[in-house]
Amino acid sequence: AQSVTQLDSHVSVSEGTPVLLRCNYSSSYSPSLFWYVQHPNKGLQLLLKYTSAATLVKGINGFEAEFKKSETSFHLTKPSAHMSDAAEYFCVVSDCGDNYGQNFVFGPGTRLSVLP
Amino acid sequence: SAVISQKPSRDICQRGTSLTIQCQVDSQVTMMFWYRQQPGQSLTLIATANQGSEATYESGFVIDKFPISRPNLTFSTLTVSNMSPEDSSIYLCSVGGNRAAGELFFGEGSRLTVL
Repeated sequence: AQSVTQLDSHVSVSEGTPVLLRCNYSSSYSPSLFWYVQHPNKGLQLLLKYTSAATLVKGINGFEAEFKKSETSFHLTKPSAHMSDAAEYFCVVSDCGDNYGQNFVFGPGTRLSVLP
Repeated sequence: SAVISQKPSRDICQRGTSLTIQCQVDSQVTMMFWYRQQPGQSLTLIATANQGSEATYESGFVIDKFPISRPNLTFSTLTVSNMSPEDSSIYLCSVGGNRAAGELFFGEGSRLTVL
C-alpha cells in the first residue's frame, strides 16, 4: 500500500526567502509523484510531476522537486517565495501503472504562509 | 489538459435534505473521480465513475449516501443524500489526464455547508 507523509502541517517564510516543503512516501512499486497546489477557494492545480525520468523536476511558478529514492523523499523547493505562493500544497503518490489516476494517494497537506 | 466545471460552487443546505453536484468536462474521459475534502483536511476519494457501469466506491462510502450518475463521457453527478453537518466539505470532481503519467485535473470544487 502506498502512503505519503508531509512532515510539516504549516510552513511560514518571509517573502524573498527560500521555500522547502517536505514529502516522504512509501510505495511498493516505482512510483509517480506529484505536487499539487490549492489556493483559497480554488481547485487543485498541478505544480509538477515525477514519472521515472529526470530526478530533478521543474514545475510552474519557479518550483522544483527532487526525487531521492534512497531517502524515499520528494521535497518541494523554490529559491524565493512570493506572496502569491501562499496556499495549501499536497504531495501525491501513485503506482507507475496507474494510467488514469485511479490510485492517487494524497498527503495531508502543508499550508504555506508568506510574510511580507 | 482538461477544463472541468462544477455546479454549484457553494451551497448551504438544511439537515436531512439532498444536494446534487454536477461535473462537466470539456473532453471525453474514461474515468471521473469524486473526492471529498473535509475542513482543514486532505482529499479522500469517494468513488470512481465509469460511463455505462456502476460507480466503484471506496471503503467508508456507500451508494445510498452518495449516488453517482455517469450518463456520458463528459458529465457526471454526485448526490449527497440525507445530509448532516458532518457532510460539510468541499466535493471535488477530477479526471485523468495524460495517460502515461496518470495526472489528475480538478474542478474548482463545490463547497457544501450543512446546517
